[in-house]
Amino acid sequence: LAKTTQPISMDSYEGQEVNITCSHNNIATNDYITWYQQFPSQGPRFIIQGYKTKVTNEVASLFIPADRKSSTLSLPRVSLSDTAVYYCLVGRSNDYKLSFGAGTTVTVRA
Amino acid sequence: EPEVTQTPSHQVTQMGQEVILRCVPISNHLYFYWYRQILGQKVEFLVSFYNNEISEKSEIFDDQFSVERPDGSNFTLKIRSTKLEDSAMYFCASSEGGTGTDTQYFGPGTRLTVL
Repeated sequence: LAKTTQPISMDSYEGQEVNITCSHNNIATNDYITWYQQFPSQGPRFIIQGYKTKVTNEVASLFIPADRKSSTLSLPRVSLSDTAVYYCLVGRSNDYKLSFGAGTTVTVRA
Repeated sequence: EPEVTQTPSHQVTQMGQEVILRCVPISNHLYFYWYRQILGQKVEFLVSFYNNEISEKSEIFDDQFSVERPDGSNFTLKIRSTKLEDSAMYFCASSEGGTGTDTQYFGPGTRLTVL
């Protein structure tokens, strides 16, 4: 499994855009990039998944450069309720087992 | 929106006792999982279950652990003889398909405290 590296924590303010970059230098051809969000004392929640270029949904955007060695999760106009831990996961398309790292704790302040 | 539910939300038990954690996965999902998260640590995969059998388990999932789908809706994790180090949040998850691109939906978790 590709090892991922992401910042331990990030601070932001309400209304700002938050970009979290995850490094995965040894990503394999069959690997997908998935981001999950976890609030305290709750289970992880799927945010977005991509393979290359850009993916956008109603919650976030995921930018993946051509070499796929990193990816950036973009949360537009965050609110206090976006305070959570965000996990970047890299996994094979044929492997359902999720491997979580330490994640990035995002704190949104008023 | 359909969701995974888990009961109880908090379970306190004495070391050496058996506990059963219960989950109701999303109804049309076919793949079921248990994960655990020790306080302040990573979410760790325990086991996956498909077609009424374990498809994969981690080294954490030793002989003290077992899973079962006793009926068409419930999915249970049993710990036969709890240890202090079993104290953790236990999350059940389910997915429609069994590939890495199938979204896993997690329940709210059961906090297990072993005294």
